[in-house]
Amino acid sequence: GQQLNQSPQSMFIQEGEDVSMNCTSSSIFNTWLWYKQDPGEGPVLLIALYKAGELTSNGRLTAQFGITRKDSFLNISASIPSDVGIYFCAGRYLTQGGSEKLVFGKGTKLTVNP
Amino acid sequence: DAGVIQSPRHEVTEMGQEVTLRCKPISGHDYLFWYRQTMMRGLELLIYFNNNVPIDDSGMPEDRFSAKMPNASFSTLKIQPSEPRDSAVYFCASSRARGTQYFGPGTRLLVL
Repeated sequence: GQQLNQSPQSMFIQEGEDVSMNCTSSSIFNTWLWYKQDPGEGPVLLIALYKAGELTSNGRLTAQFGITRKDSFLNISASIPSDVGIYFCAGRYLTQGGSEKLVFGKGTKLTVNP
Repeated sequence: DAGVIQSPRHEVTEMGQEVTLRCKPISGHDYLFWYRQTMMRGLELLIYFNNNVPIDDSGMPEDRFSAKMPNASFSTLKIQPSEPRDSAVYFCASSRARGTQYFGPGTRLLVL
């Protein structure tokens, strides 16, 4: 089945630093999504990307849909303590049966030291 | 507006017992998804419904798992009999058409 390789698995940074994480796959996706999950909560959508090459920002977050449609990255600028959490990439694809599904990366756990 | 509501938030049970997880999607959403999250396998789609009809259940691990959606505002995921390897966080999510999926807070299941 479809698989996403998300890296790094974890990051420990100082407040104010920039962060970069990415997802790659051998499969093509028609949508890339980035979610954040806080402890004890469900994932919350941060950014959605719909076209190859698309670059989208949401405040201090910037994400890009790779031109090959097989990868995406998420950057966080000037990190703050509330950025702590687990970040997931997700790719949407069409199955052979015609249903649309999301596959998730394993997540990047971000720790921000004040 | 209320988000996706799941109950219970925590469930501890013994191996062999039946477990029922419940979900109330966001009003007006016509898609409902059940996911399972574990450290080893991450977040996996189990099954999803469109207008109360199961569309893709290829992620359901085995016959011990079953899901129903009797109406637009309620769905259940049942495990019978439960096993320790079923211990995980189970999320329900809903969306309008194929738009953004909104996740509930999850049910943390521990099977002893």
